[in-house]
Amino acid sequence: DQQVKQNSPSLSVQEGRISILNCDYTNSMFDYFLWYKKYPAEGPTFLISISSIKDKNEDGRFTVFLNKSAKHLSLHIVPSQPGDSAVYFCAASDSQGGSEKLVFGKGTKLTVNP
Amino acid sequence: DAGVIQSPRHEVTEMGQEVTLRCKPISGHDYLFWYRQTMMRGLELLIYFNNNVPIDDSGMPEDRFSAKMPNASFSTLKIQPSEPRDSAVYFCASSRGRSQETQYFGPGTRLLVL
Repeated sequence: DQQVKQNSPSLSVQEGRISILNCDYTNSMFDYFLWYKKYPAEGPTFLISISSIKDKNEDGRFTVFLNKSAKHLSLHIVPSQPGDSAVYFCAASDSQGGSEKLVFGKGTKLTVNP
Repeated sequence: DAGVIQSPRHEVTEMGQEVTLRCKPISGHDYLFWYRQTMMRGLELLIYFNNNVPIDDSGMPEDRFSAKMPNASFSTLKIQPSEPRDSAVYFCASSRGRSQETQYFGPGTRLLVL
């Protein structure tokens, strides 16, 4: 039973357009959410996060939206650039529950075409 | 600052052999995590340590897997005996403290068990 789901294994967009990556979760105890980016042959790197007390967090071209009632979050990249081509992992944690455990989705491979 | 260091980067071994993966966390980080990435299961947490003490090993698949952290700058993940289904990329990550601290990943060890 996957607690964090990324239902789209892949996404392809044109350079300059918006990329929207989606993530759903089932555990209502999750209160902190993160996106990681992974290039081939490298480890995942932190991209952006959001606490459950917010519904939006923005960092440059990257914005994460959280809909707690729907247990859904999304990552928007505007404008998309070829260098954004990577696998994006959604992750969640129960930060108030005393555990440092992050639960990851399976990832979405984003391809930004020039 | 050096990031998380993992060795070896690649390991090819035969079924039944012992495999030892190594990790050096970022200096000053007191949490260390071992993850495994496969196509089927995505990125899953195996075990994590706080101040060299194992806190949660619920993700360790079976008794063939063991992990140690003898000091703050070194950890090992051992598989004995190895099986073909253990083939995966194993990541080590470290973080500075509790609750919403970013985890920094190493480059991973790609393990192939023949």
